[in-house]
Amino acid sequence: NAGVTQTPKFQVLKTGQSMTLQCAQDMNHEYMSWYRQDPGMGLRLIHYSVGAGITDQGEVPNGYNVSRSTTEDFPLRLLSAAPSQTSVYFCASSPRVSWGEAFFGQGTRLTVV
Amino acid sequence: EDKVVQSPLSLVVHEGDTVTLNCSYEVTNFRSLLWYKQEKKAPTFLFMLTSSGIEKKSGRLSSILDKKELFSILNITATQTGDSAVYLCAAPNNNDMRFGAGTRLTVKP
Repeated sequence: NAGVTQTPKFQVLKTGQSMTLQCAQDMNHEYMSWYRQDPGMGLRLIHYSVGAGITDQGEVPNGYNVSRSTTEDFPLRLLSAAPSQTSVYFCASSPRVSWGEAFFGQGTRLTVV
Repeated sequence: EDKVVQSPLSLVVHEGDTVTLNCSYEVTNFRSLLWYKQEKKAPTFLFMLTSSGIEKKSGRLSSILDKKELFSILNITATQTGDSAVYLCAAPNNNDMRFGAGTRLTVKP
């Protein structure tokens, strides 16, 4: 039972570098999303997708890009990393609509130096 | 602006105590309120509430929603050290999910 798989678990980047956080789910869920979690601020939505080929911005989209070419995969790209993007990132998926139960990946701890 | 506010931010109790965690929300197009438990890593789902006054229960945990006053509570009775975690509530506005900052619960032996 894989569920939602995120890679890598840990990453250190230098300011200005780019990278892609991978997210894959094997539950055939339509809705997928990316969050960042900072101390004292809960989870904040970065981008989401309601199905293959459809993406939209969440609360804090600046500095991040996403694409959804398949139902299973939803990668998050950091174009030019900044120290303010140091955070823990979670990918999540839901069966049909955004307002039901979400299944989360194990998270990626990203440090930008 | 849509927002979800949780209180208290942290709570320390002893095993056997009963705790009440609070969540108030202001979101347009309200559909549901969700509770999650987050231990070391990923949040795990506890409850989804859509109707006022109907209590959801799972073992020692229960939750209820008041749509008139725009809040929800999560009760944990006879707490155990394994209940130590951050408890998150969330409310979606269309496809945009808003989370509260969480309540960090510490249960001491």
